[in-house]
Amino acid sequence: QVQLVQSGAEVKKPGASVNLSCKASGYTFTRFYVHWVRQAPGQGLEWMGIINPSNNSTTYAQKFQGRVTMTRDTSTTTVYMELSSLRFEDTAVYYCARSFLASDGFDFWGQGTMVTVSS
Amino acid sequence: QSALTQPASVSGSPGQSITISCTGTSTDVGSYNLVSWYQQHPGKAPKLMIYDVTNRPSGVSDRFSGSKSGNTASLTISGLQAEDEAEYYCSSYTRSDTWVFGGGTRLSVL
Repeated sequence: QVQLVQSGAEVKKPGASVNLSCKASGYTFTRFYVHWVRQAPGQGLEWMGIINPSNNSTTYAQKFQGRVTMTRDTSTTTVYMELSSLRFEDTAVYYCARSFLASDGFDFWGQGTMVTVSS
Repeated sequence: QSALTQPASVSGSPGQSITISCTGTSTDVGSYNLVSWYQQHPGKAPKLMIYDVTNRPSGVSDRFSGSKSGNTASLTISGLQAEDEAEYYCSSYTRSDTWVFGGGTRLSVL
């Protein structure tokens, strides 16, 4: 069965970076795009960007350009998302999700990773 | 890219129908038939309910339906059930090849 299993919770200080992982299984890794979506406490969903695991190409939301980097490792079927220069307002649950085409709905989601930015 | 506009909350009684609107612009909702809807229960990951404006993924009840007119998409839930109580988010693909979400709508089943 399709699974996206994300790494565990993180606590970081302002200015630091965080690197989250999303391990895919149950499907052909390179055939589906992977998105990252975050949700601040009590807030709505926010799309951060997308990676094409077949060629490592990425598109980022303008808000995060310069601070976010998405990569993949085809040998371990894992996608990574690094967010740098963390601010208090980056405290959120970060989800990975897949879609068949970049423009398709996100049909499977990871369980989410809580990132807390605190001094 | 500004967030799509959804009502903060809607409510209905069991068995009734409700509709949630999602208003964007000509550069997102109005550009393509690429609007999705997600259901999210507290503490859970979102679940895809509608994609490409009107299509339901396998396993999603046919009580859920979607439509679009101009820059506004809508999600209709008929025969409301207690389990439908959740937060609902719309999302649209944009001309910038990015995605944008709505602010979310809290559905209460009274």
